[in-house]
Amino acid sequence: QKEVEQNSGPLSVPEGAIASLNCTYSDRGSQSFFWYRQYSGKSPELIMFIYSNGDKEDGRFTAQLNKASQYVSLLIRDSQPSDSATYLCAVNPIAAGNKLTFGGGTRVLVKP
Amino acid sequence: EPEVTQTPSHQVTQMGQEVILRCVPISNHLYFYWYRQILGQKVEFLVSFYNNEISEKSEIFDDQFSVERPDGSNFTLKIRSTKLEDSAMYFCASSAWTGENNEQYFGPGTRLTVT
Repeated sequence: QKEVEQNSGPLSVPEGAIASLNCTYSDRGSQSFFWYRQYSGKSPELIMFIYSNGDKEDGRFTAQLNKASQYVSLLIRDSQPSDSATYLCAVNPIAAGNKLTFGGGTRVLVKP
Repeated sequence: EPEVTQTPSHQVTQMGQEVILRCVPISNHLYFYWYRQILGQKVEFLVSFYNNEISEKSEIFDDQFSVERPDGSNFTLKIRSTKLEDSAMYFCASSAWTGENNEQYFGPGTRLTVT
């Protein structure tokens, strides 16, 4: 069973601080990695994707990938109350076509 | 900005009834997917579809489920005889490419309630 694991949280962060979220995956051959944001009762919204080891920055978001250690992380800089949501890590295993395997999500609470 | 749309937003049905959930993927996308999320649980893959055929399906996607692209824009999920445990949010997603460039964009979902 290919797994994607996340700390469920909640991760409580003061407004303006950095939120750091981690995700580990079991399939060493995984190729593509995604971060989705999901507000309560809404659908997953793609916010970041990363395919190569290292860092990728997009606005206030930075995704970090370390394939040797099988983890991917997301940093949210200058956290805002509107960032309060559940963040889902999703992985595309190499032998699974286009299927995404999701983690359970980390709930983030940004306090003003 | 192009987006995936889904109808209806909420469907209530009785156990044993057939339901059809509808999706309009992003217009230039070639790959289509259905996922579901039972309340409080992970998002789970159901099926992927490309070139008018299923490319992959999960263990959840048994004989009670089917998918179809009846025309150039719609993509449907049919559940033939609904069970209580089919109650969930059903999300349609689409992507332009496969392999490494597999960014999947989700629709707003259909909440299915089976009574």
